[in-house]
Amino acid sequence: GESVGLHLPTLSVQEGDNSIINCAYSNSASDYFIWYKQESGKGPQFIIDIRSNMDKRQGQRVTVLLNKTVKHLSLQIAATQPGDSAVYFCAENSGGSNYKLTFGKGTLLTVNP
Amino acid sequence: EAGVVQSPRYKIIEKKQPVAFWCNPISGHNTLYWYLQNLGQGPELLIRYENEEAVDDSQLPKDRFSAERLKGVDSTLKIQPAELGDSAVYLCASSLGGSETQYFGPGTRLLVL
Repeated sequence: GESVGLHLPTLSVQEGDNSIINCAYSNSASDYFIWYKQESGKGPQFIIDIRSNMDKRQGQRVTVLLNKTVKHLSLQIAATQPGDSAVYFCAENSGGSNYKLTFGKGTLLTVNP
Repeated sequence: EAGVVQSPRYKIIEKKQPVAFWCNPISGHNTLYWYLQNLGQGPELLIRYENEEAVDDSQLPKDRFSAERLKGVDSTLKIQPAELGDSAVYLCASSLGGSETQYFGPGTRLLVL
């Protein structure tokens, strides 16, 4: 896999703004995608998922968009709050029926009050 | 409902020493996963259990790593002997079934000196 080291992509937004976090996935055969939020010192927390037969799914303040043509996934957070500050990971099921998650690079979201 | 429980939360050992991590999944979850997370990167799967059977251990370095889930509930991951490069966070996750959402524990932070 790719080496990220200590340098994470970062996104800094003002409280109340909308945030968009992007992810490029690797396997065109992947059929299931998930966004996780990871706060410092904690394990990843499930946010929202989407299957490949959909191109959009909405949750509470979050929307995931899937573009299979360019293998791109995005997470939109509406009215971003300081509590949204965390590292966000996308993950794809690259194992087919064996269901194996492959995580992408994380993005560090910082929300300024 | 209690989430995934892991212990210890932190462990510092000298190289060549053995170390073990314990995980208690969410009640009723048949599938259990162990992941390795290096600093600044996404989790990487080490092993996946369906009940007490290891169904995917292809990424587990079997020369020094071992895992067990004897009664299909709790699981233990062991490293013997530990090397400096094993310093990382070891995450446990569980799901109802192999194709269901994975829920992560807080992780065990290992530092090998």
